[in-house]
Order: sequence, then C-alpha cells, then structure tokens
Amino acid sequence: DTEVTQTPKHLVMGMTNKKSLKCEQHMGHRAMYWYKQKAKKPPELMFVYSYEKLSINESVPSRFSPECPNSSLLNLHLHALQPEDSALYLCASSPWGPGSYNSPLHFGNGTRLTVT
Amino acid sequence: AQTVTQSQPEMSVQEAETVTLSCTYDTSESNYYLFWYKQPPSRQMILVIRQEAYKQQNATENRFSVNFQKAAKSFSLKISDSQLGDTAMYFCALGVIQGAQKLVFGQGTRLTINP
Repeated sequence: DTEVTQTPKHLVMGMTNKKSLKCEQHMGHRAMYWYKQKAKKPPELMFVYSYEKLSINESVPSRFSPECPNSSLLNLHLHALQPEDSALYLCASSPWGPGSYNSPLHFGNGTRLTVT
Repeated sequence: AQTVTQSQPEMSVQEAETVTLSCTYDTSESNYYLFWYKQPPSRQMILVIRQEAYKQQNATENRFSVNFQKAAKSFSLKISDSQLGDTAMYFCALGVIQGAQKLVFGQGTRLTINP
C-alpha cells in the first residue's frame, strides 16, 4: 500500500485536451513534489511545494501548471501537451521543517500519461 | 550543480548471493545526504537506505548496507542474501537543500535476482 495516492493510474489525452493529475497524502507532510520519468530514465524534478507555496520550478513549460490547494493535495494541470510529454508522472511528499529537511521522500505509484 | 553516476546499467545474480551496486556523485555542497531507492515493476519508488554525509559510519538496514567513501565521493549499495523480491531498478540519489529538498538521481541499475 502506498501512503501517497495518485489518480488516475493511466491517462490518454489528445494534444488539445485539458486534464489534471491528482495527488493526495495524509501523513501531515508539508512538502510535495512532482517528478517526470521517461521510460528507462531516472525521475526528473518538476515542481516543489513547501507549505503550499511553490518553492521550486525547474523551468517546466507553461503547459504544465501545478496547484497545491491545501496541505494534503497536489494537482498538475495539463493543457496543449505534446507527444514527447508522454511519461510516468510521480508525486512525492516529505516532512518539511527544522529537523526534517533531509527526510526521505514518499512516492506514489505514478500516473502513466500518453499524449496522442 | 549535482551529478550522480551509476556505471552498471544492468546486473544479474543468483538468489542468496551478495551483490554490490556502484554509485559516484559530485556536489559542491557541504551538507548533503545520499539515498538508494528501488523501483519495482509496480512503479513506486521505495526507499532502501539513506546516509547522512556528515556521518562516517556506514548505514545498514537488514540485508542492505552501504559503503560510503566521502573523499572518493562513492556510495555503493551491498545487498546480502539476495531475494527474488529484490528484483527492481535501483537508483542512487543525492539530496541537497536549495530552497526546498532537491533530489538528483543516477541513471539506475536494473538488478535481476534469478532463482
């Protein structure tokens, strides 16, 4: 069982569609992350939210729009994606604060996105 | 910038054998930490073990242990008494705090445990 839940598990979308990926955790973690993982490659950091504020944006194209509506939820809104955006999108969370800055990340099972 | 290098794309051993996965890294940060994560076919990234850079003692978690050589910037993972369930992709990762926690992953080693 994973403590970080991602929905949907699979998503197929056209290049003109708008869709959203969702991530939820109830561990009280105050840092949440989006990673992108292409096939047979390591995860690459996209965004980090700390205390619901965007703290890292790794120069991700604007067709990816993150949102952190509260401390338990993290969304990734997708619009006008390209076929090369097809990948596994991983959400993660971790404690964040004095004494826990180096805590390991807890990952979800990911959303497999295919852009047609 | 941080870099992590795993020089073994694939490894294969028999069940119950011991296997060592290599990892080297580079960073100019003085405060950093190192992790090994595994990713089985289920896709979830699972923490295997972690090491604080300021600690000289090598971390151990049951059958998993690391050999941390700070001067050489080396961080290898040893799996003892390997089991079929250890079959997975293993990623070495370097973590630093730069406004938030940033993890940089190596390219991964695909480990297969054969019966």
